[in-house]
Amino acid sequence: QSALTQPASVSGSPGQSITISCTGTSSDVGGHNYVSWYQQHPGKAPKLMIFDVSKRPSGVSTRFSGSKSGNAASLTISGLQPEDEAEYYCSSYTAGSALFVFGTGTKVTVL
Amino acid sequence: QVQLVQSGAEVKKPGASVKLSCKASGYIFTSYHIYWVRQAPGQGLEWMAIINPRGGSISYAQKLQGRVTLTRDTSTNTVYMELSSLTSEDTAVYYCARDGASVADTLGWYFDLWGRGTLVTVSS
Repeated sequence: QSALTQPASVSGSPGQSITISCTGTSSDVGGHNYVSWYQQHPGKAPKLMIFDVSKRPSGVSTRFSGSKSGNAASLTISGLQPEDEAEYYCSSYTAGSALFVFGTGTKVTVL
Repeated sequence: QVQLVQSGAEVKKPGASVKLSCKASGYIFTSYHIYWVRQAPGQGLEWMAIINPRGGSISYAQKLQGRVTLTRDTSTNTVYMELSSLTSEDTAVYYCARDGASVADTLGWYFDLWGRGTLVTVSS
């Protein structure tokens, strides 16, 4: 099972909006709404930011939003803040024996 | 306090096995599936396995089939992950994480609660 494809890096200035893409196939991202996003700061465990494509857990800022079109999902961070600088991973349930797949990860830099 | 507490760091020689623990507290242990995910140094996340603490059903990532074993102890609310025939490529931080679906025997396919991770170093 191949990993979902994400851009290696995305950057933006404080206050700007950025979007991270997550491209899969009809067996994973395109075939289900079990897409989630995680934020990981260096040396820390990942933190859930979005689940079921676009749902935000309690406590996660409304600046984070998710969407999906076809085989690609996206995470948008609006009003970028310095604390948003981190690695971001998408993930999806996948049909077949693999069950689950992560994205390759995207380093977000706040300029 | 709702949390997953993982065991401490391990150093193992190639060919050895390692058994890590993940103790749940603050919620009903049997109501949520537990995953194991690992992350090699400087690398991304890799799903390893999932267990239903309620009935004990388990699924393993194909890549690790035959080398990884999950068990659980419902008396101590603990899940164990054993990885055998270790090589340097198994050097990683190993996380346990809880599935977000709160209905027993169902899956949300996302991780809403994570342990802090356990570093396993495989070196001769």
